[in-house]
Amino acid sequence: KAGVTQTPRYLIKTRGQQVTLSCSPISGHRSVSWYQQTPGQGLQFLFEYFSETQRNKGNFPGRFSGRQFSNSRSEMNVSTLELGDSALYLCASSPGQGARVTIYFGEGSWLTVV
Amino acid sequence: AQSVAQPEDQVNVAEGNPLTVKCTYSVSGNPYLFWYVQYPNRGLQFLLKYITGDNLVKGSYGFEAEFNKSQTSFHLKKPSALVSDSALYFCAVRDEGDDKIIFGKGTRLHILP
Repeated sequence: KAGVTQTPRYLIKTRGQQVTLSCSPISGHRSVSWYQQTPGQGLQFLFEYFSETQRNKGNFPGRFSGRQFSNSRSEMNVSTLELGDSALYLCASSPGQGARVTIYFGEGSWLTVV
Repeated sequence: AQSVAQPEDQVNVAEGNPLTVKCTYSVSGNPYLFWYVQYPNRGLQFLLKYITGDNLVKGSYGFEAEFNKSQTSFHLKKPSALVSDSALYFCAVRDEGDDKIIFGKGTRLHILP
């Protein structure tokens, strides 16, 4: 079974631009969540989607948004990029909802803002 | 609100020796605890989890973790370290009442040949 697939793996953007990252979950998984990883802040939860509905949201500004499609694939968008948005963005999927469920991560998308 | 702490930024262990990576947590309800490993330039890989039952949980690559409710700890252990175990390890907690997963800051494990 294929794992969580994220595209693109690496990208460089200019401050002020916007970026869209894509995530395909493990087949059969309906929950997708996104995380930002930086050396200073560690792993921070961005948001979680289940059946196209946002279930949880972390403490990030409104420039960060996401959506989930009917096939469970998800995208996240960051508008008006700032230098501090440079990070590894990780997508994870799980078969369902609930605190007992294991989440499985993709390889991540490395975003550099210059 | 739940929280998780990994008190050591880095742990150095000689190859063949036992290793321990520490994790303590705080939740208001029943804790669900997870360990993940991250190799350079990769995503996180699931190692093991504690949901309920036996306090000693066995996971991938020979790792195990012991849940201690009284000490609110969930330390990761391995009897004999390998150089290939060198990586960044994350402990995470979820609370039944709040599905958000909270990760520790991570502990960098160096296994010395």
